Amino acid sequence: NAGVTQTPKFQVLKTGQSMTLQCAQDMNHNSMYWYRQDPGMGLRLIYYSASEGTTDKGEVPNGYNVSRLNKREFSLRLESAAPSQTSVYFCASSDSLYNEQFFGPGTRLTVL
Amino acid sequence: SQQGEEDPQALSIQEGENATMNCSYKTSINNLQWYRQNSGRGLVHLILIRSNEREKHSGRLRVTLDTSKKSSSLLITASRAADTASYFCATDKEDDYKLSFGAGTTVTVRA
Repeated sequence: NAGVTQTPKFQVLKTGQSMTLQCAQDMNHNSMYWYRQDPGMGLRLIYYSASEGTTDKGEVPNGYNVSRLNKREFSLRLESAAPSQTSVYFCASSDSLYNEQFFGPGTRLTVL
Repeated sequence: SQQGEEDPQALSIQEGENATMNCSYKTSINNLQWYRQNSGRGLVHLILIRSNEREKHSGRLRVTLDTSKKSSSLLITASRAADTASYFCATDKEDDYKLSFGAGTTVTVRA
């Protein structure tokens, strides 16, 4: 049981480049989430997917898009990266919106 | 905006001592959760307490919830070096189940 996996672990982009962060879970969870964590701050929700086939905006969705590819996979895309998107990105999953979340190891993204 | 805020921001204790941290929040909640994050790693769920519960235990962890004061506390008893981490409270809102995380309490346990 790998839990929640994220790829890549590290990424450096130039301003304006695009990339997709991948997330997969093997716990048969219905709900999946993308957060960003900046120094001295808690996690902020970017987008979430309550169940397969649905996605909704969180607190800080601007500059991002998501795809819930199937029940296992939830990807986050940066279409045109900006330095303000330099952060650590975490994917999480839970069996329902009301229960504990399981987190991946994170992706450290630097935008130059 | 952050719903929950932890206090203190940082805490340094000797191995074997107890560590207590607090979380205050602004609006009525369904659940409050505590998570731990070791340096450079993802968050790990510690405990969930529902709004109709007042106290919960898990191993060396004790969580209390006072909905009248909109606050919670996390107590770690008999701390160990491995407890060195950042601890976050996360709350939802009564009409919105999305979690909002505080900025965390950084705990250092000295040998």
